[in-house]
Amino acid sequence: DGGITQSPKYLFRKEGQNVTLSCEQNLNHDAMYWYRQDPGQGLRLIYYSQIVNDFQKGDIAEGYSVSREKKESFPLTVTSAQKNPTAFYLCASRTGANTGELFFGEGSRLTVL
Amino acid sequence: QKEVEQNSGPLSVPEGAIASLNCTYSDRGSQSFFWYRQYSGKSPELIMFIYSNGDKEDGRFTAQLNKASQYVSLLIRDSQPSDSATYLCAVPETGGFKTIFGAGTRLFVKA
Repeated sequence: DGGITQSPKYLFRKEGQNVTLSCEQNLNHDAMYWYRQDPGQGLRLIYYSQIVNDFQKGDIAEGYSVSREKKESFPLTVTSAQKNPTAFYLCASRTGANTGELFFGEGSRLTVL
Repeated sequence: QKEVEQNSGPLSVPEGAIASLNCTYSDRGSQSFFWYRQYSGKSPELIMFIYSNGDKEDGRFTAQLNKASQYVSLLIRDSQPSDSATYLCAVPETGGFKTIFGAGTRLFVKA
């Protein structure tokens, strides 16, 4: 079945550690996105990528990094520079046109201990 | 800064009633509008999209769009407890690559 797979589903991190969240899609979508959601809040855009080897900062990119070496994959690294990383992270993809729906993965919940 | 505004709620309706969820947007050139439902701890799922002024119906859901007023709404008829969730309004930005999300409206349907 086509879809977006995020892993891990739950992740615990100690302060000062970097962690990488995986996002893989087999929908043949060009565009991929990372959002952060805090309790009771909407979705805030961290990074997005329209094509392989290209990505742009979203509204809250500080403390995060991404790569887009393959069309199917868009991993997100939460670095130690992110001061408040505990949140629900959502990966999404879409065909190239910015008028279509976003398809979401199941999300990764990161907790800093 | 393009914005999408929603009443955060919570909106509480009795089972069987009509739930009305509202959304306004600032980008006058917006062409497409989406409603996602998000259960607690889960990812958003698309329930409706609308491109043209007027109403679009899909089962118990009706999306309404008024581009002149920059207003889009979602009506849920015969509300069920299983409709209790947060509803997110989403608007792709014109000429860009981002989708702007509202903060979401929490809906509670009381049995």
